[in-house]
Amino acid sequence: EVQLVQSGAEVKKPGESLRISCKGSGYSFTSYWISWVRQMPGKGLEWMGRIDPSDSYTNYSPSFQGHVTISADKSISTAYLQWSSLKASDTAMYYCARHDGRVPRFDPWGQGTLVTVSS
Amino acid sequence: EIVMTQSPATLSVSPGERATLSCRASQSVSSNLAWYQQKPGQAPRLLIYGASTRATGIPARFSGSGSGTEFTLTISSLQSEDFAVYYCQQYNNWPPLFTFGPGTKVDIK
Repeated sequence: EVQLVQSGAEVKKPGESLRISCKGSGYSFTSYWISWVRQMPGKGLEWMGRIDPSDSYTNYSPSFQGHVTISADKSISTAYLQWSSLKASDTAMYYCARHDGRVPRFDPWGQGTLVTVSS
Repeated sequence: EIVMTQSPATLSVSPGERATLSCRASQSVSSNLAWYQQKPGQAPRLLIYGASTRATGIPARFSGSGSGTEFTLTISSLQSEDFAVYYCQQYNNWPPLFTFGPGTKVDIK
């Protein structure tokens, strides 16, 4: 079974750093891209950026460029989303999703990681 | 940058009725369009890709159509489990972005 399993919920303070993870299983991890998607409370889906785990090439939505970093460790089939300095506005659910290159066909999705940033 | 719009924002439908959801792109995306369903507390689920191809395991009552800038998701006979929010998504070659529409909430009339 193809699966993406994300790390658990996080509660952080403004200014702290954070890295959340997304582990793929049941398929060749380097054969598909991984994207990250943000969903703020009560809002819609926002594509943040993607990585090709075979060479770690990334590209980001202009809205997120410079605010987050996407990386991957293909040796353990895991992608990451990280922040160096969190803000309260980063409070959201974050999903990872697998897709076949440039094709908009995100399937499957991870279960989501809730990040809460509060002083 | 391509902007996606969806209409209506909310669609109230009775079980068994047909639902028609629209998605529009600000410029042509060819057939590079997908539809997702999201229920409260769950991750989104892929319904349709390539504008009209149902994903694995998706019931035949879901169908997609359109190309270029105008797309439609039709649910032929709404079941109780279909009440959810539906998003369209496109891919643009340059700049290389995946963009979601704002969503249409389908609720019970």
